[in-house]
Amino acid sequence: ILNVEQSPQSLHVQEGDSTNFTCSFPSSNFYALHWYRWETAKSPEALFVMTLNGDEKKKGRISATLNTKEGYSYLYIKGSQPEDSATYLCAFSGYSTLTFGKGTMLLVSP
Amino acid sequence: DSGVTQTPKHLITATGQRVTLRCSPRSGDLSVYWYQQSLDQGLQFLIQYYNGEERAKGNILERFSAQQFPDLHSELNLSSLELGDSALYFCASSDSDREAFFGQGTRLTVV
Repeated sequence: ILNVEQSPQSLHVQEGDSTNFTCSFPSSNFYALHWYRWETAKSPEALFVMTLNGDEKKKGRISATLNTKEGYSYLYIKGSQPEDSATYLCAFSGYSTLTFGKGTMLLVSP
Repeated sequence: DSGVTQTPKHLITATGQRVTLRCSPRSGDLSVYWYQQSLDQGLQFLIQYYNGEERAKGNILERFSAQQFPDLHSELNLSSLELGDSALYFCASSDSDREAFFGQGTRLTVV
């Protein structure tokens, strides 16, 4: 069983705060790292697919970085807004399977 | 449209009953994942199947079971239902280790 860890488990910030979460994954047999945003009662939305060491992706106020050699990815949210409240899931592609982390639940208060 | 179909969309049933949720993955996808999303417990990974075999198991209760059939569709069986089983149940499919695509979910209400 592959170990994909996300931290923190949950996070509560104020509107306007910037925040970041971590996804740790095996550093061998790496194919890709996926980030999803999952709002309550909705289907998850794919945010990023990252494949190369050193990759940096950006979508609006959300960005992500990837370090395949040490096996981690960071997701950053700049100037959090209440609509950013969701669970952020990462998933590791490798060993012919896709393994999800448990997610980081973000709550942004107005 | 993700290509992943879940039926039914809504289900209302009484405590103690048994229900079956169905997931049809995207054409060619061998992996199916089941998740439960509830207000009190948040997001819980239940189980993953790959080409008919169980690949990974999460927080799935003994009252719940799942299987993936030769045509790759999957069913999640929930029995002896309790009020706390009311939740959204999502399935996702992926082609081996490629990106996962999620269905629209089945909303289960136990009364």
